[in-house]
Amino acid sequence: NAGVTQTPKFQVLKTGQSMTLQCAQDMNHEYMSWYRQDPGMGLRLIHYSVGAGITDQGEVPNGYNVSRSTTEDFPLRLLSAAPSQTSVYFCASSRTGTISNQPQHFGDGTRLSIL
Amino acid sequence: SQKIEQNSEALNIQEGKTATLTCNYTNYSPAYLQWYRQDPGRGPVFLLLIRENEKEKRKERLKVTFDTTLKQSLFHITASQPADSATYLCALTSYSGGGADGLTFGKGTHLIIQP
Repeated sequence: NAGVTQTPKFQVLKTGQSMTLQCAQDMNHEYMSWYRQDPGMGLRLIHYSVGAGITDQGEVPNGYNVSRSTTEDFPLRLLSAAPSQTSVYFCASSRTGTISNQPQHFGDGTRLSIL
Repeated sequence: SQKIEQNSEALNIQEGKTATLTCNYTNYSPAYLQWYRQDPGRGPVFLLLIRENEKEKRKERLKVTFDTTLKQSLFHITASQPADSATYLCALTSYSGGGADGLTFGKGTHLIIQP
């Protein structure tokens, strides 16, 4: 099993450009989520999904969209990139949405720079 | 607001000694607490989960305690090795509205094991 796969690993964008960060998992997990990690801030939840067709906002959702058309994929879209969105983005999944007692499986991140 | 605090200073420990990391939280009544390890350039990796009615949990050289009265968890690595050098994150379930949405992470403690 590959686990959680994120692409691309690195990306540089100009302010105002849009892009999609890809996340795929092959563990048939119901729950998927996106976090951003900034120096001195720790991981912060952007959006999450408890199953195909269901998404919801986390702590810092502004400027990002998500969709969950299949169990395996959970892409994160930046609509109009801003320098404040420069960060490392992590996708995570767990077997069910009862996340309090579920280990989260993380991808290795996408490092995004907005110029 | 809910808050998780971990030592922001790096922790230097001599090889073979026991490393002890602290996680304090406020404005939570968690049923579970999780610990993760993160290496540079990688995503967090789940280590241990402890329930509120478990005072202590062990896994090989790792031990976690959970004191809901003190609102504190301690993470111990016995017989530490240079390969244990990493950043260690504690995490609690965050809730908004009716259900759990994601994990709230501490900022992590950077552990350095000196040979």
